Amino acid sequence: DAGVTQSPTHLIKTRGQQVTLRCSPISGHKSVSWYQQVLGQGPQFIFQYYEKEERGRGNFPDRFSARQFPNYSSELNVNALLLGDSALYLCASSSPAGGLGTDTQYFGPGTRLTVL
Amino acid sequence: DQQVKQNSPSLSVQEGRISILNCDYTNSMFDYFLWYKKYPAEGPTFLISISSIKDKNEDGRFTVFLNKSAKHLSLHIVPSQPGDSAVYFCAASRTSYGKLTFGQGTILTVHP
Repeated sequence: DAGVTQSPTHLIKTRGQQVTLRCSPISGHKSVSWYQQVLGQGPQFIFQYYEKEERGRGNFPDRFSARQFPNYSSELNVNALLLGDSALYLCASSSPAGGLGTDTQYFGPGTRLTVL
Repeated sequence: DQQVKQNSPSLSVQEGRISILNCDYTNSMFDYFLWYKKYPAEGPTFLISISSIKDKNEDGRFTVFLNKSAKHLSLHIVPSQPGDSAVYFCAASRTSYGKLTFGQGTILTVHP
């Protein structure tokens, strides 16, 4: 089975531009989460969606937005890019375990965004 | 406010010996804990998890120990292999499905 896929792999933008990152979850997974990882730190939670509804939002400015589509894929949008937005953006998908265990989040390879 | 901390930035171990990676947390509402491994240019790979109702969980060479009173968890890898060389992140969550809060990571190097 294919894992979580993300596109593009790499992206270079300039300050003030807008960017859209895409994520396709593991088949059958209905929840998608987005994380930002800057160099030398652990991933930081941005958003979580489940069944197309936002289920959680991290401490990120309103320039960050996301949505989930009926096929459970997701997009992360960042407007008015700043230099500090340069990071690896990770998408993770999970499926409810029906109370039998944790909804383990499985990560994609990430999109490396560089803002110049 | 760093709610999950990995105080050792790096760890070096000889092949065949035990690797012990440590993680501390401050939020007593955390109920699920996970360890991920990350190679360069790849996303984190899930290794093992534990819920707060347990104090130990094993999966092959990997064992996670949870000490709730100390708010401390550790990952033991026995025996360590060169292929285990990677960055290891611990993560915590308040629910089985909720957002993950990650530590800063520990770089493990296993020498042949």
